[in-house]
Amino acid sequence: QQQVKQSPQSLIVQKGGISIINCAYENTAFDYFPWYQQFPGKGPALLIAIRPDVSEKKEGRFTISFNKSAKQFSLHIMDSQPGDSATYFCAAQAGNTPLVFGKGTRLSVIA
Amino acid sequence: KAGVTQTPRYLIKTRGQQVTLSCSPISGHRSVSWYQQTPGQGLQFLFEYFSETQRNKGNFPGRFSGRQFSNSRSEMNVSTLELGDSALYLCASSFETGIGYTFGSGTRLTVV
Repeated sequence: QQQVKQSPQSLIVQKGGISIINCAYENTAFDYFPWYQQFPGKGPALLIAIRPDVSEKKEGRFTISFNKSAKQFSLHIMDSQPGDSATYFCAAQAGNTPLVFGKGTRLSVIA
Repeated sequence: KAGVTQTPRYLIKTRGQQVTLSCSPISGHRSVSWYQQTPGQGLQFLFEYFSETQRNKGNFPGRFSGRQFSNSRSEMNVSTLELGDSALYLCASSFETGIGYTFGSGTRLTVV
């Protein structure tokens, strides 16, 4: 059973455009929702994270939107750049339990 | 500040062999978690160690085991390797469980 469902699997965006990746979860005990960015040959790196007491968090060009009632959260990358081309993973965690990851979205930003 | 170091970076093993992977966490981090990453299944949790004790365990067969030493370094072992064990094995460390994981670059294991 997949606890965190991520979509789309792959995404192509024009340079300067907005990239949007969505995740949905079922476990209402989840209380921490990070996003990770992974480049080829590297491990995932923490990008931005949110807790359910806020509906939005912004760091530079990256924004997490969180909808607690719908049990959904999304990553928005504004002004997408070719250097943003990577695989993005959403994740969720309940208390001290391990992080549960979505299956990833491969983002390609083309000039 | 040194990151999470995983050794070796690449390994090729034959079916039936066993393998040991090593992870050195960030200095001061007491929690070490291991994940298996494959194209089909994504990132799947193997186990977590905190202060030398296994705190959480994922849904993997007993062929997968691990341990943590007093200096927080961790090793994972896979015995009787199968072709399906081919994957990128990632280690992540954090000061406390799960919060602010920092991942290493992984060990790419190929079983032939």
